[in-house]
Amino acid sequence: KQEVTQIPAALSVPEGENLVLNCSFTDSAIYNLQWFRQDPGKGLTSLLLIQSSQREQTSGRLNASLDKSSGRSTLYIAASQPGDSATYLCAVSARSNDYKLSFGAGTTVTVRA
Amino acid sequence: GAGVSQSPSNKVTEKGKDVELRCDPISGHTALYWYRQSLGQGLEFLIYFQGNSAPDKSGLPSDRFSAERTGGSVSTLTIQRTQQEDSAVYLCASSPGTSGPSYEQYFGPGTRLTVT
Repeated sequence: KQEVTQIPAALSVPEGENLVLNCSFTDSAIYNLQWFRQDPGKGLTSLLLIQSSQREQTSGRLNASLDKSSGRSTLYIAASQPGDSATYLCAVSARSNDYKLSFGAGTTVTVRA
Repeated sequence: GAGVSQSPSNKVTEKGKDVELRCDPISGHTALYWYRQSLGQGLEFLIYFQGNSAPDKSGLPSDRFSAERTGGSVSTLTIQRTQQEDSAVYLCASSPGTSGPSYEQYFGPGTRLTVT
């Protein structure tokens, strides 16, 4: 069974600092990995999707890397802003599992103004 | 275009009552997933549809839970004889499935269910 772990569970930084969020998974036979953002009381917003054949994806201030062989992904958020405060979730899917997502518990980020 | 929509956004029900939660996926998406997010727990998979069939119901927590999908579009998750432990946010996601290259899942805003 796929296990997804996110470290740290919570993170508080001053505005302007770069954020580094870690995700690890136990079964490297993944199809893709998605990073999501969840604001309190809201649904999930997809941030980045990395296919298993890719090493990284970038969107604006966000960059996600994937090392499938070691079962790790890292989400970097450059020059953090208070609006980046949210919970960030990592999820992996596998073809053998009908592509259903296995989620980590999330990292709750607070960016202090 | 329109994203995934879910209704109701909030539902408060008494223990023992039945509830129906609805999901409207993105038009043309063949795959549909239900997940549950309980307080203090992570997101857990409930059931998956490909078209109208559900090849994987392994996540349904008990036989009080059932789901159907009609016309390859709208899905309904039904919980019978609700219990307090059913209180959670129920999230629906859709994916292009075999018609899309990435199987990216797009989530709805969720239904917050509270059982009193």
